[in-house]
Amino acid sequence: GAGVSQSPRYKVAKRGQDVALRCDPISGHVSLFWYQQALGQGPEFLTYFQNEAQLDKSGLPSDRFFAERPEGSVSTLKIQRTQQEDSAVYLCASSLVWQRRSGNTIYFGEGSWLTVV
Amino acid sequence: DAKTTQPTSMDCAEGRAANLPCNHSTISGNEYVYWYRQIHSQGPQYIIHGLKNNETNEMASLIITEDRKSSTLILPHATLRDTAVYYCIVRIRSQGGSEKLVFGKGTKLTVNP
Repeated sequence: GAGVSQSPRYKVAKRGQDVALRCDPISGHVSLFWYQQALGQGPEFLTYFQNEAQLDKSGLPSDRFFAERPEGSVSTLKIQRTQQEDSAVYLCASSLVWQRRSGNTIYFGEGSWLTVV
Repeated sequence: DAKTTQPTSMDCAEGRAANLPCNHSTISGNEYVYWYRQIHSQGPQYIIHGLKNNETNEMASLIITEDRKSSTLILPHATLRDTAVYYCIVRIRSQGGSEKLVFGKGTKLTVNP
């Protein structure tokens, strides 16, 4: 596809349930980001991949959150034993390799809306 | 730990220029300033980015002060569809190769007919 694709678009989970959110980045994009956006707030950084390597996971809020990108393309964000405070939009973004002289554009998907009840 | 500050909200008349300010006084020499906007229930949309020089594209212009401590996004002829939350962001890149966009709270721009 032409853009970053995320699925499911909407997910309702019962508290304690595990969920998996998928991100298909733009083909050829090396960098992949996950963000969490609570209602009325700006997106908060969760983790960053360069190809299959997870270079930064400092934003993951707890050990219930886990992200992977095993073949350097599709990525999955997994949340175990979901809690109500996990309710948010989870945004995935991707970009080409960094270009120091010009910078480059980071493209966001439409997000996966998670509601924990 | 947002590196930018923006007004919470602004209003603009349709057809007029919208000038959105941003302060980034702690920006480092190699950190870019990016602008995104977000319309409710959609993902952030890229607008423009810059390092030192002013930049212009089909959507907007970006004016960066010489000391790089602040910038202004200009939408030359605002339309009702430009009503959105506008984020001024610093792109941080670490020596280990990791990078991230650090979002602040953004400016809610309302374009009025």
